[in-house]
Amino acid sequence: EIVVTQSPATLSVSPGERATLSCRASQSVSSNLAWYQQKPGQAPRLLIYGASARATGIPARFSGSGSGTEFTLTISSLQSEDFAVYSCQQYNSWPYTFGQGTKLEIK
Amino acid sequence: QVLLQESGPGLVKPSQTLSLTCTVSGGSITSDNYYWNWIRQPAGKGLEWIGRIYTSGSTNYNPSLDSRVSISVNTSKNQFSLKLSSVTAADTAVYYCARRKVGATTYFDYWGQGTLVTVSS
Repeated sequence: EIVVTQSPATLSVSPGERATLSCRASQSVSSNLAWYQQKPGQAPRLLIYGASARATGIPARFSGSGSGTEFTLTISSLQSEDFAVYSCQQYNSWPYTFGQGTKLEIK
Repeated sequence: QVLLQESGPGLVKPSQTLSLTCTVSGGSITSDNYYWNWIRQPAGKGLEWIGRIYTSGSTNYNPSLDSRVSISVNTSKNQFSLKLSSVTAADTAVYYCARRKVGATTYFDYWGQGTLVTVSS
């Protein structure tokens, strides 16, 4: 089973600033990595798939990069609605596995 | 717009069977193009994929839960269901249903909002 590790566990950033979240896989997952946004009481929302492709309706301030074992989600200018938990998921190898999440909080 | 909604008891006693249903609207569960999945998240922990079902009824489960999990589909109601037997406190989690496109390397594109299930006597 591929272990997915996210860092940091919590990230404090001011509105308008840039946030950079990391995701690492224990072995190569090629570009088969997705990012999700989670807010309490809401359905998780797909942000990025294929490591860098934005899902339908996702603002351009969200961008993903990386391949192999190292990935990054960047939010270029944080809006109030962006403060949430972000989870990455590899779908290269079964069983599909998720990271433990990064909580993005207001500084 | 595809919507998924989980339903079921929020409290289950230890050793009993957890049962949840996911109702799909805005799309047909009989589509050849999608798998229908269950995923859970214990408080403060990461998401864990439980298993999936296809419209034909074929299933695939996470090996860590395989001996206790059963997923079924009810095409007439556009629903699929999860049963997890012999539950313990470790099964306390928010349970989500989600859709994934058919294929070896595909992601979860639509999710339900989740339902909290607590295992306690």
